[in-house]
Amino acid sequence: KQEVTQIPAALSVPEGENLVLNCSFTDSAIYNLQWFRQDPGKGLTSLLLIQSSQREQTSGRLNASLDKSSGRSTLYIAASQPGDSATYLCAVNTGNQFYFGTGTSLTVIP
Amino acid sequence: NAGVTQTPKFQVLKTGQSMTLQCAQDMNHEYMSWYRQDPGMGLRLIHYSVGAGITDQGEVPNGYNVSRSTTEDFPLRLLSAAPSQTSVYFCASSYSQRGNTIYFGEGSWLTVV
Repeated sequence: KQEVTQIPAALSVPEGENLVLNCSFTDSAIYNLQWFRQDPGKGLTSLLLIQSSQREQTSGRLNASLDKSSGRSTLYIAASQPGDSATYLCAVNTGNQFYFGTGTSLTVIP
Repeated sequence: NAGVTQTPKFQVLKTGQSMTLQCAQDMNHEYMSWYRQDPGMGLRLIHYSVGAGITDQGEVPNGYNVSRSTTEDFPLRLLSAAPSQTSVYFCASSYSQRGNTIYFGEGSWLTVV
């Protein structure tokens, strides 16, 4: 069974810092990997989708990388802002379903 | 564009009661799914559908039923509610099962007492 791990579980940084969130998965047979943002009491919002044939995707201040062979992905957030405070989840698509990590709770301190 | 709409937002049930969580999407997506989110366990797949009339079980299907009579709607039925089904439920949809962005509803908070 695919297992997805996110480290750290929580992260607190001062505003303006660049930061990296980590996601690892045990089975490299995936179709794609997605990063999501979840605000308290809300659903998940897709941030970036990386297909298995891609190495990275960028959207604004966000950059996600994928190393399928080593089972790792990172989400890089540049120049963090208080509005970036949320829980970030990664999910891998094995074709039958998505497997989610438990998320990293990010707090950006003004 | 409403996206994925879930109702109700909050519900309290007594043990043994049944209820239906509604999910509708207006994006003409073929793939729809239901997840539950529990503290420390992430999101787990309950049931999914790849099109009208086609459903299949996910990781944690026991105690839940689904049907897909139209492309737009994918209701989740709790047959006889148990305290272990207290959770936050999310409906999600995607254009296809593989390769596309997945869109989530706002969630339904269910408490079984």
